[in-house]
Amino acid sequence: DIVMTQSPDSLAVSLGERATINCKSSQSVLYSSNNKNYLAWYQQKPGQPPKLLIYWASTRESGVPDRFSGGGSGTDFTLTISSLQAEDVAVYHCQQYYSTPHTFGQGTKLEIK
Amino acid sequence: QVQLVESGGGLVKPGGSLRLSCAASGFIFSDYFMFWIRQAPGKGLEWVSYISSSGSITYYADSVKGRFTISRDNAKNSLYLQMNSLRAEDTAVYYCARRLVCSGGSCYSAERGWFDPWGQGTLVTVSS
Repeated sequence: DIVMTQSPDSLAVSLGERATINCKSSQSVLYSSNNKNYLAWYQQKPGQPPKLLIYWASTRESGVPDRFSGGGSGTDFTLTISSLQAEDVAVYHCQQYYSTPHTFGQGTKLEIK
Repeated sequence: QVQLVESGGGLVKPGGSLRLSCAASGFIFSDYFMFWIRQAPGKGLEWVSYISSSGSITYYADSVKGRFTISRDNAKNSLYLQMNSLRAEDTAVYYCARRLVCSGGSCYSAERGWFDPWGQGTLVTVSS
């Protein structure tokens, strides 16, 4: 199984500041035939199910604010929130869909400083 | 509106059984692989089981293999998870989710994809 490791486990950022979450996979999730990274990011607010934010490592889901961006390739990925808003307080999860089982990172809890 | 609604969770004693259901609406249910994913209190997400669009292929995490059975009824747009021999470590919120992929402006079922949407979850508590 591909192991997904996020860092940090928790993060406190001031309103309006940048937040960056890292996700590392134990093997590459870049599919050479189409040059796509098989990685998604989800946002989970307290008491709610995960919500899809980003897929193909960098494509924002429809309706997701453009302050959210995804980057990286191969085994190292980032989720960046360019200017933190109060409503962004949540746990963020990365997930690879390169191979079965589609494994998740352990989650990163984002709070306001 | 694409929607998944789980039901069937509750409190059960160790060794007991529960059957979870997930009602789908707003999309062609029979086209998609469906998943059960769980989240123990304060923990991350753990994929539990999946079933192919026709129901002919199923897959289980090692932690539930031999105890849980996934099934679906495409005529009723419903997904199920029969959970037997429950253990304390099975305590979690159980989510059903659709796997899909979007490319070239369209979305469809594929072998490799992300999960969207997710149901609101149903809590299973295994305790004496």
